[in-house]
Amino acid sequence: GESVGLHLPTLSVQEGDNSIINCAYSNSASDYFIWYKQESGKGPQFIIDIRSNMDKRQGQRVTVLLNKTVKHLSLQIAATQPGDSAVYFCAENIKSGGGADGLTFGKGTHLIIQP
Amino acid sequence: DADVTQTPRNRITKTGKRIMLECSQTKGHDRMYWYRQDPGLGLRLIYYSFDVKDINKGEISDGYSVSRQAQAKFSLSLESAIPNQTALYFCATSDPRGRTDTQYFGPGTRLTVL
Repeated sequence: GESVGLHLPTLSVQEGDNSIINCAYSNSASDYFIWYKQESGKGPQFIIDIRSNMDKRQGQRVTVLLNKTVKHLSLQIAATQPGDSAVYFCAENIKSGGGADGLTFGKGTHLIIQP
Repeated sequence: DADVTQTPRNRITKTGKRIMLECSQTKGHDRMYWYRQDPGLGLRLIYYSFDVKDINKGEISDGYSVSRQAQAKFSLSLESAIPNQTALYFCATSDPRGRTDTQYFGPGTRLTVL
């Protein structure tokens, strides 16, 4: 089954508000996490990543928080804009033998921006 | 990402037909991956390759095969397509020498098996 999942399939926010998208993972061996954004008709696009030795990482208008105690990951988008409308996926990577296998993805959250 | 291209972008085929999906990249990455995406299931790994001599099965490899013809090319084949292989297929690449294991995705191929 899925080792990475999202709490809400759809999130609707007002333009200008902050968005928080959540993700739970079950494999404590995971040491690298990525958030992807997928717009309609396109492939997933990298947003931000975080390694397990960090609790927080900030990018441009986005912040990822990692709580290893409860195996929870979140993506915060500040001042949400219409262009932020997309499906957001969290993904985890488990290092094995020093290599990197394919990512394990959550099911995705559809972020809808209300005008 | 224009650095990772997939052909065809859309394909409709019939049950039992052999289908090949192609992926090319100009990123110079050694690692390439094939995923399928189904509604409500996210992306699932089919096969991955760390270099031209390395092929590994992913989570859902049954019914699929791959060929790594060169560093830049990674093809996915359905030997005898069946309707439940109708899905969106994505190729991705990554560079193990980079700071991260970030994977870069192509635009996808929408495959319909009738």
